[in-house]
Amino acid sequence: AQTVTQSQPEMSVQEAETVTLSCTYDTSESDYYLFWYKQPPSRQMILVIRQEAYKQQNATENRFSVNFQKAAKSFSLKISDSQLGDAAMYFCAYEANFNKFYFGSGTKLNVKP
Amino acid sequence: ETGVTQSPTHLIKTRGQQVTLRCSSQSGHNTVSWYQQALGQGPQFIFQYYREEENGRGNFPPRFSGLQFPNYSSELNVNALELDDSALYLCASSLQGRRGPETQYFGPGTRLLVL
Repeated sequence: AQTVTQSQPEMSVQEAETVTLSCTYDTSESDYYLFWYKQPPSRQMILVIRQEAYKQQNATENRFSVNFQKAAKSFSLKISDSQLGDAAMYFCAYEANFNKFYFGSGTKLNVKP
Repeated sequence: ETGVTQSPTHLIKTRGQQVTLRCSSQSGHNTVSWYQQALGQGPQFIFQYYREEENGRGNFPPRFSGLQFPNYSSELNVNALELDDSALYLCASSLQGRRGPETQYFGPGTRLLVL
């Protein structure tokens, strides 16, 4: 069964600094997608970054980048130059078989001014 | 390009009642997925609809059912409501591509409270 584990329920970072959120997953599939979603207090889920498992190159989106370790089934999110607007719940998600998403339990990120 | 919308935003029901939640998918998307997000938890996959057919289902009982319409909008119906059904219900739309669904885009959710 596919599972997604986020072992950090809550993290804090100082504004302008860098923080890394961890995610591990369990799967027997070879082809799948991984995502990081952000859910601010207003609750609408927003896509942060996406990674295709068949691509070895780590995805980047401006200040957001991932460290994808396929063999270790690890998919961490690095946020550089943290901003107050980055404060939110962050969910790691896995998708395979073209019809199901599995989400982790989330990491609450606090950004201190 | 319009985003994913959901209605209503909030809803209060009593145990045993039935509820229908609605979702309009993003323009150009043909796939809708529904999720239940209990307070403090990650979303749990309920089911997905593609071209008006159920295309996958999570571990939810049959009293959770859905529909997708020709315009790709969707409904989630829950019968015989239980207290544990209180949650945020999220709808997400995507485009089923050659390799499978592309990125899902989420609506703002419907907050359901069952008393």
